[in-house]
Amino acid sequence: ETGVTQSPTHLIKTRGQQVTLRCSSQSGHNTVSWYQQALGQGPQFIFQYYREEENGRGNFPPRFSGLQFPNYSSELNVNALELDDSALYLCASSFEGFSTVEQYFGPGTRLTVT
Amino acid sequence: GQNIDQPTEMTATEGAIVQINCTYQTSGFNGLFWYQQHAGEAPTFLSYNVLDGLEEKGRFSSFLSRSKGYSYLLLKELQMKDSASYLCAVRDNYGQNFVFGPGTRLSVLP
Repeated sequence: ETGVTQSPTHLIKTRGQQVTLRCSSQSGHNTVSWYQQALGQGPQFIFQYYREEENGRGNFPPRFSGLQFPNYSSELNVNALELDDSALYLCASSFEGFSTVEQYFGPGTRLTVT
Repeated sequence: GQNIDQPTEMTATEGAIVQINCTYQTSGFNGLFWYQQHAGEAPTFLSYNVLDGLEEKGRFSSFLSRSKGYSYLLLKELQMKDSASYLCAVRDNYGQNFVFGPGTRLSVLP
């Protein structure tokens, strides 16, 4: 059973650029949630995908968008990058959209916007 | 609104017991979770409470009072490797939206 993986590990972008982050969910999981974690703070919920549909969204602007593929892997896209987007981006996978107890986090992608 | 409060930092001695408190005010409630996060690593699941009372899991226990909007994580027989941030999170009624607290950074001293 493979765990949650994310790529890339680290990324440096310039303000105004666009970025795509990727997440492969744990085997058997069909739900992926994305979080943004600024240094010294708790993760902030961005959105969740369940069976390829967005299943909830936090307080993030539309320039944060996502996709989930038939194999349940997922992408997070951020357009028009701002300096405040610098953070650790975590994805977490779980089974089912409504009855799961536990979600498993990937190692994260550290994004730096300069 | 959604609000979760935890102490920012705590210090304890190896072998001791420490209690990390969490208070929450959320629009819905569908379970309270505790995660451990070592610096530079992903959060790992520690415990889950959905009913009032104490859940024990080895050296870790978690307590919930829904009427008071209060939980605590109890760590016994502290070890140096327990030095980490401890995150309290509430799952609301809307799918799997987890609202995380700011985390409590625990330092275990020899």
